[in-house]
Amino acid sequence: LAKTTQPISMDSYEGQEVNITCSHNNIATNDYITWYQQFPSQGPRFIIQGYKTKVTNEVASLFIPADRKSSTLSLPRVSLSDTAVYYCLVGPAFPGSARQLTFGSGTQLTVLP
Amino acid sequence: DSGVTQTPKHLITATGQRVTLRCSPRSGDLSVYWYQQSLDQGLQFLIQYYNGEERAKGNILERFSAQQFPDLHSELNLSSLELGDSALYFCASSVGTGGWAQYFGPGTRLLVL
Repeated sequence: LAKTTQPISMDSYEGQEVNITCSHNNIATNDYITWYQQFPSQGPRFIIQGYKTKVTNEVASLFIPADRKSSTLSLPRVSLSDTAVYYCLVGPAFPGSARQLTFGSGTQLTVLP
Repeated sequence: DSGVTQTPKHLITATGQRVTLRCSPRSGDLSVYWYQQSLDQGLQFLIQYYNGEERAKGNILERFSAQQFPDLHSELNLSSLELGDSALYFCASSVGTGGWAQYFGPGTRLLVL
Protein backbone atom coordinates (compact mmCIF):
# COMPACT_ATOMS: atom_id res chain seq x y z
CA LEU A 1 0.00 0.00 0.00
CA ALA A 2 1.23 3.46 -0.84
CA LYS A 3 1.76 5.44 2.35
CA THR A 4 0.94 9.12 2.17
CA THR A 5 2.41 12.05 4.06
CA GLN A 6 0.66 15.40 4.37
CA PRO A 7 1.17 18.48 6.56
CA ILE A 8 -0.86 18.24 9.75
CA SER A 9 -2.26 21.74 9.44
CA MET A 10 -2.24 24.85 7.30
CA ASP A 11 -3.64 28.34 7.73
CA SER A 12 -4.70 30.67 4.96
CA TYR A 13 -6.70 33.83 4.45
CA GLU A 14 -9.86 34.31 2.50
CA GLY A 15 -9.30 34.90 -1.18
CA GLN A 16 -5.90 33.25 -1.29
CA GLU A 17 -4.90 30.19 -3.28
CA VAL A 18 -4.03 27.19 -1.09
CA ASN A 19 -1.74 24.36 -2.15
CA ILE A 20 -1.64 21.17 -0.09
CA THR A 21 1.07 18.69 -1.01
CA CYS A 22 0.94 14.96 -0.41
CA SER A 23 3.96 12.65 -0.65
CA HIS A 24 3.49 9.06 -1.81
CA ASN A 25 6.93 7.70 -2.64
CA ASN A 26 5.90 4.08 -3.19
CA ILE A 27 2.90 4.69 -5.41
CA ALA A 28 2.16 1.72 -7.67
CA THR A 29 1.71 1.86 -11.42
CA ASN A 30 -2.00 1.21 -11.17
CA ASP A 31 -2.67 3.64 -8.33
CA TYR A 32 -4.76 6.75 -8.68
CA ILE A 33 -4.57 9.77 -6.38
CA THR A 34 -7.77 10.97 -4.79
CA TRP A 35 -8.50 13.90 -2.51
CA TYR A 36 -11.36 14.23 -0.06
CA GLN A 37 -12.68 17.03 2.10
CA GLN A 38 -14.28 16.44 5.49
CA PHE A 39 -16.21 18.80 7.72
CA PRO A 40 -16.74 17.92 11.40
CA SER A 41 -19.25 15.11 11.96
CA GLN A 42 -19.83 14.67 8.23
CA GLY A 43 -18.66 12.02 5.84
CA PRO A 44 -15.70 12.84 3.60
CA ARG A 45 -16.61 14.37 0.26
CA PHE A 46 -14.80 13.48 -2.96
CA ILE A 47 -13.01 16.49 -4.43
CA ILE A 48 -10.81 15.33 -7.29
CA GLN A 49 -8.95 12.33 -8.66
CA GLY A 50 -6.06 12.00 -11.06
CA TYR A 51 -3.38 9.71 -12.43
CA LYS A 52 -0.78 12.03 -13.91
CA THR A 53 -0.13 15.62 -15.00
CA LYS A 54 -2.98 17.97 -14.18
CA VAL A 55 -6.66 17.57 -13.51
CA THR A 56 -9.05 20.47 -12.97
CA ASN A 57 -12.69 20.64 -12.01
CA GLU A 58 -14.98 23.36 -10.76
CA VAL A 59 -13.68 23.01 -7.21
CA ALA A 60 -9.94 22.35 -7.38
CA SER A 61 -6.91 21.42 -9.43
CA LEU A 62 -4.63 18.47 -8.91
CA PHE A 63 -1.02 18.61 -10.04
CA ILE A 64 0.94 15.37 -10.35
CA PRO A 65 4.59 15.44 -11.47
CA ALA A 66 5.99 12.91 -13.90
CA ASP A 67 7.43 10.63 -11.18
CA ARG A 68 4.04 10.61 -9.40
CA LYS A 69 5.74 10.49 -6.00
CA SER A 70 3.82 13.52 -4.83
CA SER A 71 0.72 15.48 -5.69
CA THR A 72 -0.58 18.95 -4.93
CA LEU A 73 -4.18 19.91 -4.36
CA SER A 74 -4.79 23.52 -5.31
CA LEU A 75 -7.83 25.39 -4.00
CA PRO A 76 -8.31 28.75 -5.71
CA ARG A 77 -9.54 31.74 -3.72
CA VAL A 78 -10.52 29.93 -0.54
CA SER A 79 -13.37 31.09 1.66
CA LEU A 80 -14.18 30.48 5.32
CA SER A 81 -16.36 27.54 4.29
CA ASP A 82 -13.29 25.73 2.94
CA THR A 83 -12.09 25.21 6.51
CA ALA A 84 -11.98 21.42 6.76
CA VAL A 85 -9.70 18.40 6.85
CA TYR A 86 -8.30 17.37 3.47
CA TYR A 87 -7.24 13.78 2.88
CA CYS A 88 -4.97 12.46 0.17
CA LEU A 89 -5.51 8.81 -0.79
CA VAL A 90 -3.61 6.53 -3.10
CA GLY A 91 -5.17 3.33 -4.31
CA PRO A 92 -5.90 1.00 -7.20
CA ALA A 93 -8.04 2.09 -10.10
CA PHE A 94 -9.05 -1.11 -11.83
CA PRO A 95 -11.89 -3.40 -10.79
CA GLY A 96 -10.65 -6.65 -9.37
CA SER A 97 -7.96 -5.08 -7.23
CA ALA A 98 -8.93 -6.01 -3.70
CA ARG A 99 -6.87 -3.48 -1.80
CA GLN A 100 -7.59 -1.05 0.92
CA LEU A 101 -7.77 2.66 0.54
CA THR A 102 -6.07 4.14 3.54
CA PHE A 103 -6.94 7.55 4.88
CA GLY A 104 -4.00 9.21 6.56
CA SER A 105 -4.24 11.89 9.21
CA GLY A 106 -5.21 14.52 6.70
CA THR A 107 -4.44 18.23 6.65
CA GLN A 108 -6.52 20.59 8.76
CA LEU A 109 -6.96 23.70 6.65
CA THR A 110 -8.11 26.77 8.54
CA VAL A 111 -9.19 29.77 6.51
CA LEU A 112 -9.01 33.02 8.39
CA PRO A 113 -10.97 36.20 7.62
CA ASP B 1 -26.44 14.79 -0.74
CA SER B 2 -24.11 11.97 -1.80
CA GLY B 3 -26.90 9.50 -2.56
CA VAL B 4 -25.67 7.11 0.12
CA THR B 5 -28.08 6.58 2.99
CA GLN B 6 -27.33 5.27 6.44
CA THR B 7 -29.63 4.36 9.26
CA PRO B 8 -29.96 5.04 12.07
CA LYS B 9 -28.37 8.47 12.43
CA HIS B 10 -27.82 8.05 16.13
CA LEU B 11 -27.65 4.99 18.32
CA ILE B 12 -27.22 4.79 22.08
CA THR B 13 -26.72 1.42 23.66
CA ALA B 14 -25.04 -0.32 26.57
CA THR B 15 -21.87 -2.32 26.83
CA GLY B 16 -22.24 -5.94 25.84
CA GLN B 17 -25.09 -5.25 23.44
CA ARG B 18 -25.29 -5.85 19.70
CA VAL B 19 -26.34 -3.35 17.06
CA THR B 20 -26.80 -3.34 13.31
CA LEU B 21 -26.00 -0.39 11.08
CA ARG B 22 -27.51 -0.22 7.63
CA CYS B 23 -26.25 1.36 4.44
CA SER B 24 -27.79 1.79 1.01
CA PRO B 25 -25.28 2.68 -1.69
CA ARG B 26 -25.77 5.09 -4.56
CA SER B 27 -27.75 3.71 -7.44
CA GLY B 28 -25.42 1.75 -9.70
CA ASP B 29 -22.56 1.48 -7.22
CA LEU B 30 -21.41 -2.07 -6.58
CA SER B 31 -18.85 -1.46 -3.84
CA VAL B 32 -19.65 -0.66 -0.25
CA TYR B 33 -17.02 0.37 2.27
CA TRP B 34 -17.32 0.72 6.03
CA TYR B 35 -15.21 3.11 8.08
CA GLN B 36 -14.96 3.92 11.76
CA GLN B 37 -13.98 7.39 12.91
CA SER B 38 -13.22 8.16 16.51
CA LEU B 39 -11.56 11.22 17.96
CA ASP B 40 -8.28 9.51 18.74
CA GLN B 41 -8.08 7.14 15.77
CA GLY B 42 -9.05 9.14 12.74
CA LEU B 43 -10.82 7.49 9.82
CA GLN B 44 -10.19 3.75 9.90
CA PHE B 45 -11.12 1.48 7.03
CA LEU B 46 -12.99 -1.59 8.25
CA ILE B 47 -14.13 -3.67 5.31
CA GLN B 48 -15.20 -3.53 1.66
CA TYR B 49 -17.76 -5.52 -0.28
CA TYR B 50 -18.11 -5.65 -4.03
CA ASN B 51 -21.28 -7.03 -5.55
CA GLY B 52 -22.00 -9.18 -2.53
CA GLU B 53 -18.50 -10.49 -1.93
CA GLU B 54 -15.94 -9.39 0.60
CA ARG B 55 -13.03 -7.73 -1.27
CA ALA B 56 -10.79 -6.11 1.30
CA LYS B 57 -10.44 -6.17 5.04
CA GLY B 58 -8.98 -3.46 7.17
CA ASN B 59 -8.86 -2.94 10.90
CA ILE B 60 -12.09 -4.75 11.65
CA LEU B 61 -12.43 -6.44 15.00
CA GLU B 62 -13.63 -10.04 15.25
CA ARG B 63 -16.66 -8.76 17.18
CA PHE B 64 -17.68 -6.86 14.05
CA SER B 65 -19.05 -8.39 10.89
CA ALA B 66 -20.63 -7.13 7.71
CA GLN B 67 -22.44 -8.36 4.67
CA GLN B 68 -23.77 -7.05 1.40
CA PHE B 69 -27.12 -8.29 0.22
CA PRO B 70 -28.32 -9.05 -3.33
CA ASP B 71 -29.97 -5.64 -3.54
CA LEU B 72 -26.50 -4.23 -2.70
CA HIS B 73 -27.41 -2.69 0.63
CA SER B 74 -25.01 -3.55 3.41
CA GLU B 75 -25.19 -4.08 7.14
CA LEU B 76 -22.46 -3.75 9.72
CA ASN B 77 -23.04 -5.79 12.85
CA LEU B 78 -21.27 -4.79 16.03
CA SER B 79 -21.49 -7.18 18.97
CA SER B 80 -20.27 -7.36 22.57
CA LEU B 81 -19.99 -3.61 22.45
CA GLU B 82 -17.38 -1.84 24.50
CA LEU B 83 -17.07 1.80 25.49
CA GLY B 84 -14.26 2.18 22.98
CA ASP B 85 -16.60 1.30 20.11
CA SER B 86 -18.27 4.67 20.47
CA ALA B 87 -17.56 6.43 17.20
CA LEU B 88 -18.96 7.66 13.93
CA TYR B 89 -19.45 4.84 11.45
CA PHE B 90 -19.46 5.80 7.80
CA CYS B 91 -20.50 3.84 4.81
CA ALA B 92 -19.25 4.75 1.35
CA SER B 93 -19.96 3.39 -2.09
CA SER B 94 -18.24 3.44 -5.43
CA VAL B 95 -18.70 2.01 -8.88
CA GLY B 96 -15.58 -0.14 -8.89
CA THR B 97 -13.63 -2.04 -6.28
CA GLY B 98 -11.01 0.49 -5.34
CA GLY B 99 -9.44 3.81 -6.19
CA TRP B 100 -12.59 5.15 -7.76
CA ALA B 101 -14.30 8.10 -6.17
CA GLN B 102 -16.05 7.00 -3.01
CA TYR B 103 -19.26 8.67 -1.95
CA PHE B 104 -19.83 8.77 1.77
CA GLY B 105 -23.06 8.63 3.68
CA PRO B 106 -23.90 10.93 6.59
CA GLY B 107 -22.75 8.39 9.15
CA THR B 108 -24.19 6.70 12.21
CA ARG B 109 -23.10 8.07 15.55
CA LEU B 110 -22.83 5.22 18.04
CA LEU B 111 -22.59 5.88 21.75
CA VAL B 112 -21.92 2.96 24.04
CA LEU B 113 -22.64 3.66 27.69
